[in-house]
Amino acid sequence: SQQGEEDPQALSIQEGENATMNCSYKTSINNLQWYRQNSGRGLVHLILIRSNEREKHSGRLRVTLDTSKKSSSLLITASRAADTASYFCARDTGRRALTFGSGTRLQVQP
Amino acid sequence: GAGVSQSPSNKVTEKGKDVELRCDPISGHTALYWYRQSLGQGLEFLIYFQGNSAPDKSGLPSDRFSAERTGGSVSTLTIQRTQQEDSAVYLCASSLALAGSYNEQFFGPGTRLTVL
Repeated sequence: SQQGEEDPQALSIQEGENATMNCSYKTSINNLQWYRQNSGRGLVHLILIRSNEREKHSGRLRVTLDTSKKSSSLLITASRAADTASYFCARDTGRRALTFGSGTRLQVQP
Repeated sequence: GAGVSQSPSNKVTEKGKDVELRCDPISGHTALYWYRQSLGQGLEFLIYFQGNSAPDKSGLPSDRFSAERTGGSVSTLTIQRTQQEDSAVYLCASSLALAGSYNEQFFGPGTRLTVL
């Protein structure tokens, strides 16, 4: 079963607005990664945050990690229609295979 | 190659038939993973290969599922006597999996399996 979940399950915003997605988990992690998936096919790696990091930026993406609360958030600033996709967090617990949540489906309205 | 490739991209089969799904990882990546994704769901881990080590098969849902990786490169996932609940997108990923690395995985486009 999935260890942890993203919320919200679905999010619809207007172009230019910010989108925030959250991820919670239950076990300790080595790192946490965020992936994007278009049209139910291959996933693309967006950003990785290590367990000893609290915040990381990559372009319009900002990821935070709170290991005491076992939660992470992904913020996409100034969203674009092209950001429409599903976003997944994946926990690396040292078992090599990542543990994925059920994802957040983001719809950015032009 | 430039990325992970999978074939076929789509497969429609009849219940009870066997299917084989293929994955070509990125050249030089020693780790290879298979995941399954049902409609609207997250990824379910199936099996993991690392170099010449015994594969981690802990995610395989039944003994109808098997996988092999020949020569440390190409992998084939076989599903025997397919059932309708096997319908899903099967995703393959590879990574460098160096000691102390942080395991960024590169995914193929997936194979969409439909069992009628």
